[in-house]
Amino acid sequence: GAVVSQHPSRVICKSGTSVKIECRSLDFQATTMFWYRQFPKQSLMLMATSNEGSKATYEQGVEKDKFLINHASLTLSTLTVTSAHPEDSSFYICSARGSERGGLGNIQYFGAGTRLSVL
Amino acid sequence: AQKVTQAQTEISVVEKEDVTLDCVYETRDTTYYLFWYKQPPSGELVFLIRRNSFDEQNEISGRYSWNFQKSTSSFNFTITASQVVDSAVYFCALSEAGQGGKLIFGQGTELSVKP
Repeated sequence: GAVVSQHPSRVICKSGTSVKIECRSLDFQATTMFWYRQFPKQSLMLMATSNEGSKATYEQGVEKDKFLINHASLTLSTLTVTSAHPEDSSFYICSARGSERGGLGNIQYFGAGTRLSVL
Repeated sequence: AQKVTQAQTEISVVEKEDVTLDCVYETRDTTYYLFWYKQPPSGELVFLIRRNSFDEQNEISGRYSWNFQKSTSSFNFTITASQVVDSAVYFCALSEAGQGGKLIFGQGTELSVKP
């Protein structure tokens, strides 16, 4: 159990285009999902916390108009990188948080990540 | 302020050696959770263990064991008889109660196990 699917795994796009990344909890419901960014050889940097049915909470320094997050259901959250530029190239990872009630112990389960390259 | 420190950036061992990955944390909360995740080269973070602040029992799972000591604010991870497949970056993380499940990650330790 506790499988999180993230799609696509890799995307290459031209500068100025928008890219949408999907994060799905396949076998559990997640009221909270998280989006991270990871630079090479570095730790994960939390970008935003996404709660189902409400607006995402962004960390300081993260542009909410640049990184649009939608969490329309208990199993799906999306991150859209709008008007992507080369500096947005990075590894983006999502996670879905289980619940104590659901037997998943309040643990974040991670997707496989999306490697974004903006030319 | 909350913080997680993994002082070892890189560790290299030969297969079958035991290796311990250190993790030291800082928090003012009395209720918190500690985690270890493994990130293999493929990129996905794999959950390994969660410990809550009231449970100082050490845990063993196969070749993995964890030593939680509140007195030294440490949550160290030992791999016994390491294997090449253990090569990965390992992250220690802290979550404080009432913070909506946010994880504070350490910088990670890259473990390389050579045959």
